[in-house]
Amino acid sequence: QKEVEQNSGPLSVPEGAIASLNCTYSDRVSQSFFWYRQYSGKSPELIMSIYSNGDKEDGRFTAQLNKASQYVSLLIRDSQPSDSATYLCAVYPQGAAGNKLTFGGGTRVLVKP
Amino acid sequence: EAQVTQNPRYLITVTGKKLTVTCSQNMNHEYMSWYRQDPGLGLRQIYYSMNVEVTDKGDVPEGYKVSRKEKRNFPLILESPSPNQTSLYFCASSPSLGTGGDYGYTFGSGTRLTVV
Repeated sequence: QKEVEQNSGPLSVPEGAIASLNCTYSDRVSQSFFWYRQYSGKSPELIMSIYSNGDKEDGRFTAQLNKASQYVSLLIRDSQPSDSATYLCAVYPQGAAGNKLTFGGGTRVLVKP
Repeated sequence: EAQVTQNPRYLITVTGKKLTVTCSQNMNHEYMSWYRQDPGLGLRQIYYSMNVEVTDKGDVPEGYKVSRKEKRNFPLILESPSPNQTSLYFCASSPSLGTGGDYGYTFGSGTRLTVV
């Protein structure tokens, strides 16, 4: 079992719709959770961080955390073609992973005009 | 501007020729790390540093060396590069890990290395 799991996609979303991305993690002691956006060939860019159960909103993005069920999700409202990218979920700490963020494999999102 | 600067952006080299990829951050971050990213394998940590003169191995350290003599710099050294080290490399920094909050990584722009 992977430590941090994401559906690789692609997740195809019409422009203006809501994109819903999910991430599950294996270690109950994980405390901090991050979503990164990565355009092809570019570096990951931090979008959201969350560490308490519930929702956290920032503009068109909402992160949702459920520690009991060990999942974190990202909603992108009013999706735009510029949102087409790979979204990486990252978790800290994760098992015996030590001092690092553990990343999921990413979900590729395609927003179609 | 707060940033992590990597150089070079692109590098093509031959097997066995020593090379160094530089990484510098201007945010006074304590934590720095190197990752490589390969299709289907995601981001894998090579080495990390918790502070000056404190470094440790990540998941895939074989064939790499690092040093942290100054807080701002964390170079990645390939003593004898091989074709399986062809990859996209990222340097990242953070104020610290383990304290929760909004601390994530700030990534450099990446170095695409090809070893022939």
